[in-house]
Amino acid sequence: AQSVTQPDIHITVSEGASLELRCNYSYGATPYLFWYVQSPGQGLQLLLKYFSGDTLVQGIKGFEAEFKRSQSSFNLRKPSVHWSDAAEYFCAVGPPNFGNEKLTFGTGTRLTIIP
Amino acid sequence: GAVVSQHPSWVICKSGTSVKIECRSLDFQATTMFWYRQFPKQSLMLMATSNEGSKATYEQGVEKDKFLINHASLTLSTLTVTSAHPEDSSFYICSAGPSQNNEQFFGPGTRLTVL
Repeated sequence: AQSVTQPDIHITVSEGASLELRCNYSYGATPYLFWYVQSPGQGLQLLLKYFSGDTLVQGIKGFEAEFKRSQSSFNLRKPSVHWSDAAEYFCAVGPPNFGNEKLTFGTGTRLTIIP
Repeated sequence: GAVVSQHPSWVICKSGTSVKIECRSLDFQATTMFWYRQFPKQSLMLMATSNEGSKATYEQGVEKDKFLINHASLTLSTLTVTSAHPEDSSFYICSAGPSQNNEQFFGPGTRLTVL
């Protein structure tokens, strides 16, 4: 069965500091991996996704993620966070042709930014 | 990216009444729409998958008679919460796909409060 684990429920980072959010997955085949961000009371916005190829993927808002098959991980990073990055972040895994297939989400990591 | 809308964005109703939530794909035809439920500070829980023109597939533990899903066209799916009770209060999010790029997109969510 597929699953996604986000070990950190809540992370607090100072503005301007670097950020890494962890994601581990379990999937029976080649995974399609995603990071979404959710601001309070809002829907989900796709930050980036990994299908194949270069294991370091770039996304919007200055985020990047690295796929490490040996560690079953897909950690999200940002070199310098901004106050506007405070939100909930979800890692998800899905099959190929995910356009009409369900995604499995992690439990989320809430990011707080302090001045 | 493609646009998915939800209406209403928030709704308050009395216990025992029914509430209908719409999910529309505005610029593509979605053969598949997913309905998720999200409790405060928790992840998204898939409730059901709806395919245009056929009956929805419900996840285990989701009452199909309580959460009626209709996907009558390629751009519209509706979720009706029947005989709503306070425990049905939640954030409901839909996603639709596949787009031309074989992706799925999330709606902004609907906040339901049952008094």
